[in-house]
Amino acid sequence: DAGVIQSPRHEVTEMGQEVTLRCKPISGHNSLFWYRQTMMRGLELLIYFNNNVPIDDSGMPEDRFSAKMPNASFSTLKIQPSEPRDSAVYFCASSLRGTSGNTIYFGEGSWLTVV
Amino acid sequence: AQKITQTQPGMFVQEKEAVTLDCTYDTSDPSYGLFWYKQPSSGEMIFLIYQGSYDQQNATEGRYSLNFQKARKSANLVISASQLGDSAMYFCAMSHNSGGSNYKLTFGKGTLLTVNP
Repeated sequence: DAGVIQSPRHEVTEMGQEVTLRCKPISGHNSLFWYRQTMMRGLELLIYFNNNVPIDDSGMPEDRFSAKMPNASFSTLKIQPSEPRDSAVYFCASSLRGTSGNTIYFGEGSWLTVV
Repeated sequence: AQKITQTQPGMFVQEKEAVTLDCTYDTSDPSYGLFWYKQPSSGEMIFLIYQGSYDQQNATEGRYSLNFQKARKSANLVISASQLGDSAMYFCAMSHNSGGSNYKLTFGKGTLLTVNP
């Protein structure tokens, strides 16, 4: 079975440019998460969707960040305009909420460098 | 608020020996889940093992076992017969839980495990 698929794996962009990260969750999963990992802050939740609806976006840093989930098999995280402090690894994760003991699976991450 | 504490920034173990990675947690929720993830140098987050707060038995997955002590609020990961490929960062995480279903993870800072030949 295919896991959580993220693209791009690596991106280097210039400050001020728009960045779009993409995620395909595991088929059949109804919950999707975007996490960010940095050396300073560790792993932190940015936003959580359930059944394509954003439930908790309290971790989104500021208005430059936006996330969408137009359907059950696709989500995007957009940064516009990007800044050097946005450099991090961005993980997408998915799960089947509604089942007891549901496991949360992560993608391989998107490594973003803003110069 | 939930909190996960991993007190060992780094651990060393000889190949083929067992190692225990510590994790303590704090929560006021009666229902929660505990996860361990492995992050090798390549960067991906690999799910290892899960323990629900109401599970009576400790979880096991191959060479991985979770030593769950609810009263002490600890969820230590035990890796038996260490292999060189086990060298990685290991994260303990706790989920918020609603209706028995996990939906949001709080992570510890991780333990870097090095397996020596």
